[in-house]
Amino acid sequence: AQSVSQHNHHVILSEAASLELGCNYSYGGTVNLFWYVQYPGQHLQLLLKYFSGDPLVKGIKGFEAEFIKSKFSFNLRKPSVQWSDTAEYFCAVKVSGGYNKLIFGAGTRLAVHP
Amino acid sequence: GAVVSQHPSRVICKSGTSVKIECRSLDFQATTMFWYRQFPKQSLMLMATSNEGSKATYEQGVEKDKFLINHASLTLSTLTVTSAHPEDSSFYICSARAAASGGLFSYNEQFFGPGTRLTVL
Repeated sequence: AQSVSQHNHHVILSEAASLELGCNYSYGGTVNLFWYVQYPGQHLQLLLKYFSGDPLVKGIKGFEAEFIKSKFSFNLRKPSVQWSDTAEYFCAVKVSGGYNKLIFGAGTRLAVHP
Repeated sequence: GAVVSQHPSRVICKSGTSVKIECRSLDFQATTMFWYRQFPKQSLMLMATSNEGSKATYEQGVEKDKFLINHASLTLSTLTVTSAHPEDSSFYICSARAAASGGLFSYNEQFFGPGTRLTVL
């Protein structure tokens, strides 16, 4: 069965530190990849997505992610985090076929200290 | 654009009663809507996929008779938790996928509602 794993469950950083959150998926076919963010008390928002083309994807708020097909990975990065980036981050994969449902990772809770 | 609403945002009910949650796509038509459940500090678990005008497809382990889904129009899907019990207390989130690509809307993208927190006493 398809699955998504996020390696870091909790990450604590100071402002201006660099961020990288890992995401690996298990599926051998065509995938669409997403990173969502959930700020405290708010609903899920799309940070960025990869469908095809350039494997380095730039999203909102200075986030980017790189799709490495050979590693089945889609890691999220930000060179310098801010306190306002404190949130939970979810990696998700949409596999081809069927109703194109999303499979979510367990999430990574990021806390940024001023 | 691409706004999905849910109503109610919060509901508290007694054990044994039924609760209906609405999910609406406000500015686009959605052929497919998805219902998720999120436990505290955990990820979203897909419960079912709802297609307009047809029966919902439930994920393994989800009781279709307990979680009734209706997708009567291209902008509305409802989830009814029947005979709710305390273990049904959770955060229920819907998402909607646009009927076609164009402008802001990608057929491959889901737009999420704000969620409904259900507490069963």
